[in-house]
Amino acid sequence: EVQLVESGGGLVKPGGSLRLSCAASGFTFSSYSMNWVRQAPGKGLEWVSSISSSSSYIYYADSVKGRFTISRDNAKNSLYLQMNSLRAEDTAVYYCARGEDDYEYYFDYWGQGTLVTVSS
Amino acid sequence: DIQMTQSPSSLSASVGDRVTITCRASQGISNYLAWYQQKPGKVPKLLIYAASTLQSGVPSRFSGSGSGTDFTLTISSLQPEDVATYYCQKYNSALALTFGGGTKVEIK
Repeated sequence: EVQLVESGGGLVKPGGSLRLSCAASGFTFSSYSMNWVRQAPGKGLEWVSSISSSSSYIYYADSVKGRFTISRDNAKNSLYLQMNSLRAEDTAVYYCARGEDDYEYYFDYWGQGTLVTVSS
Repeated sequence: DIQMTQSPSSLSASVGDRVTITCRASQGISNYLAWYQQKPGKVPKLLIYAASTLQSGVPSRFSGSGSGTDFTLTISSLQPEDVATYYCQKYNSALALTFGGGTKVEIK
């Protein structure tokens, strides 16, 4: 069974940093692209960042470019999102999602999400 | 950037009704379109990819169609468990994996 479990969310002050993790199991992690998608309270879905299976290709939404860094460790079956210079508008539930492959970036499995709150 | 516009933003229909949700891309995206269902308080679930391919395990009352700029998600016979918000997502380019604004479906 595919499982994605996010961790690392919490309350952080504007300008602060946070590192999210996603632990994957139940599939060959190194064969799939991985992604972060967020959802602000009461709002719709917003794609944040994607990374290909071997980390060769990395993509960011304009809203986080230069502030967030996606990475993965295939040996540990883990995905990460380093978030710096956080803003109030980054407040959201952050979901880890599996991509179909390195060419088809739709999301077939999602984690339960971890809440990030940016507030003073 | 290509924008994805869903309509309507919400709808109310009776059990058994045929429900249609539209997603329009501001530029052509071939068939690189997915649909997701998010029930209240739950995680999004993939319903359809490649505009019309049903994800494994999704009930056959869901179907998708379209290509280029205009896409449709249809629920052939609305069921109470279909109450959810539905999102389209384009994936023709990993540089911008844009979601539509969502369509909230309720039972009348």
